[in-house]
Amino acid sequence: EIVMTQSPDTLSVSPGERATLSCRASQDVSSDLAWYQQKPGQAPRLLIYGASTRATGIPARFSGSWSGTEYTLTISSLQSEDFAVYYCQQYHDWPPLTFGGGTKVEIK
Amino acid sequence: EVQLLESGGGLVQPGGSLRLSCAASGFTFSRYTISWVRQAPGKGLEWVSGISGDGADTYYADSVKGRFTISRDNFKNTLSLQMNSLRAEDTAVYYCAKDRNWADGFDVWGQGTIITVSS
Repeated sequence: EIVMTQSPDTLSVSPGERATLSCRASQDVSSDLAWYQQKPGQAPRLLIYGASTRATGIPARFSGSWSGTEYTLTISSLQSEDFAVYYCQQYHDWPPLTFGGGTKVEIK
Repeated sequence: EVQLLESGGGLVQPGGSLRLSCAASGFTFSRYTISWVRQAPGKGLEWVSGISGDGADTYYADSVKGRFTISRDNFKNTLSLQMNSLRAEDTAVYYCAKDRNWADGFDVWGQGTIITVSS
């Protein structure tokens, strides 16, 4: 099973600042990685797939990149609606599909 | 509008059974793998089970293998999850989620249904 490790657990950021979230895979997932945003009481929303392709309707301030087994979600200028929990998920080798533990982005 | 709508959640005793349903609309249901993903209270996301578009292939997490059975009816555009031998650790919000294409991210999610396993 591929283990996905996200860091940090919580990220405190001021509105307008840049946020950088990390996700490390326990083995190569060949950019078969998605990022999701989840707000309290809501279902997750797909942000990024293929490690760097924005899903339909996702603003350009969200971007994904990777190097080796380290994947990064960057939010270039945080808006009030971006404060949420973010999850990465690998779909390279499954079952099982595996998620990271999540990073909570909170207002500083 | 593309939509998934879960139902069937509730309170069940340990060792009991429950059947969840997910009604799909707004897309060609039979073309897509659909999964169940759960979230325990205050915890992260856990993939539970998936089924291919034609229903021929089913997949399970080790934590539910042998206890849960996923199925689909492509005529009625519905997905089901039969949950037997339920445990306290199965307590969670259960979401059905549609693959974007083939196991490349879930682009449509239901609103979730809550399962509580408790005596």
